[in-house]
Amino acid sequence: DADVTQTPRNRITKTGKRIMLECSQTKGHDRMYWYRQDPGLGLQLIYYSFDVKDINKGEISDGYSVSRQAQAKFSLSLESAIPNQTALYFCATSDGSLALQFFGPGTRLTVL
Amino acid sequence: GESVGLHLPTLSVQEGDNSIINCAYSNSASDYFIWYKQESGKGPQFIIDIRSNMDKRQGQRVTVLLNKTVKHLSLQIAATQPGDSAVYFCAENIKGAQKLVFGQGTRLTINP
Repeated sequence: DADVTQTPRNRITKTGKRIMLECSQTKGHDRMYWYRQDPGLGLQLIYYSFDVKDINKGEISDGYSVSRQAQAKFSLSLESAIPNQTALYFCATSDGSLALQFFGPGTRLTVL
Repeated sequence: GESVGLHLPTLSVQEGDNSIINCAYSNSASDYFIWYKQESGKGPQFIIDIRSNMDKRQGQRVTVLLNKTVKHLSLQIAATQPGDSAVYFCAENIKGAQKLVFGQGTRLTINP
């Protein structure tokens, strides 16, 4: 869905490097989410934000941090990347009145 | 605990047949359920949703059935087409939790 964009789409990095993944949305939604997907598994929630001043940890927040720079932008950082953070990362948004979430195309991150 | 699980990780059907993808959930407080379709290399896309006060909801070629007695959710796809090949996830919104819980996913493959 072009309403939710993620950059970069693919990234290869080395252990110990700091990485930032970015998400932008034009849907006007207040809520934004970051998920991780490992092969053969479902989506695990890393962090979520209900507005610019609200940040909440999800199920697997260790090793990650986020920044909500504006209503439309939510970035995910890996402070010191490690190989087991190799995964697909998805950003999602939702209207506060509904639980339905809309997903971006994903970022494939490989940590060597 | 909170969990959404799928009975089968893979499902193969003949083109033109109907597909039924199942999902079990364990939280009685779930008030909203969503089915997502994830094609290779893409983010999850919304297919259909259903609220807990409903038993059935139909869309274009898809039907979702909810059985709250046995905590079971199913997605039926009529006249399955090659374009239906994807991984299908169910997700539940637990009332008050303000986040979705995703199942592991079922990979649907279409045989010609």
